[in-house]
Amino acid sequence: DAEITQSPRHKITETGRQVTLACHQTWNHNNMFWYRQDLGHGLRLIHYSYGVHDTNKGEVSDGYSVSRSNTEDLPLTLESAASSQTSVYFCASSPTSGGRTYNEQFFGPGTRLTVL
Amino acid sequence: AQSVAQPEDQVNVAEGNPLTVKCTYSVSGNPYLFWYVQYPNRGLQFLLKYITGDNLVKGSYGFEAEFNKSQTSFHLKKPSALVSDSALYFCAVRHDRGSTLGRLYFGRGTQLTVWP
Repeated sequence: DAEITQSPRHKITETGRQVTLACHQTWNHNNMFWYRQDLGHGLRLIHYSYGVHDTNKGEVSDGYSVSRSNTEDLPLTLESAASSQTSVYFCASSPTSGGRTYNEQFFGPGTRLTVL
Repeated sequence: AQSVAQPEDQVNVAEGNPLTVKCTYSVSGNPYLFWYVQYPNRGLQFLLKYITGDNLVKGSYGFEAEFNKSQTSFHLKKPSALVSDSALYFCAVRHDRGSTLGRLYFGRGTQLTVWP
């Protein structure tokens, strides 16, 4: 079955280190998104992509970067991890059909990142 | 600007009673509204959506939502709550114009607890 996976599921790192979180979907969806979930804030959009080589900043993009070299993957990189980036990270994808993007997003299981 | 408000952080209801989880929205243009559910240590799961048409939308697990344009609301309802419905519920509105096409804006979430 098609699915969306994230790895690792749990990660502990130190301040200043570079960290990359993987997201892989097998639905062939054009659109992919990265969110972080924090208590009291709900889900906030970090970066998103509408297709290969397309990336866009979300509302909390500082300190994060993404690249989209193929349809299936959108890795999220923390250039220099900070304690404020301790969070749960969710990747999501959605299809485009008929030129419109009304479709719901499908979420991965999440990655819990702790920055010490 | 697009936004969603979930005025209740927590909703408690007895099993067998009807439940309502509230959501109000603010959007320029036509609203495209979604409800998601999150069980502990899991990603978000799609429940239902309103795009156009009938104001009462039926979704998964016996949930439904009523779109009310005059009150800018999209409340989630279920006639008879189950203990297994206990989870975190998110309302979201989709932006469908310009460079942020397809983005979802999430509320902060409402924790639903159904006690036996």
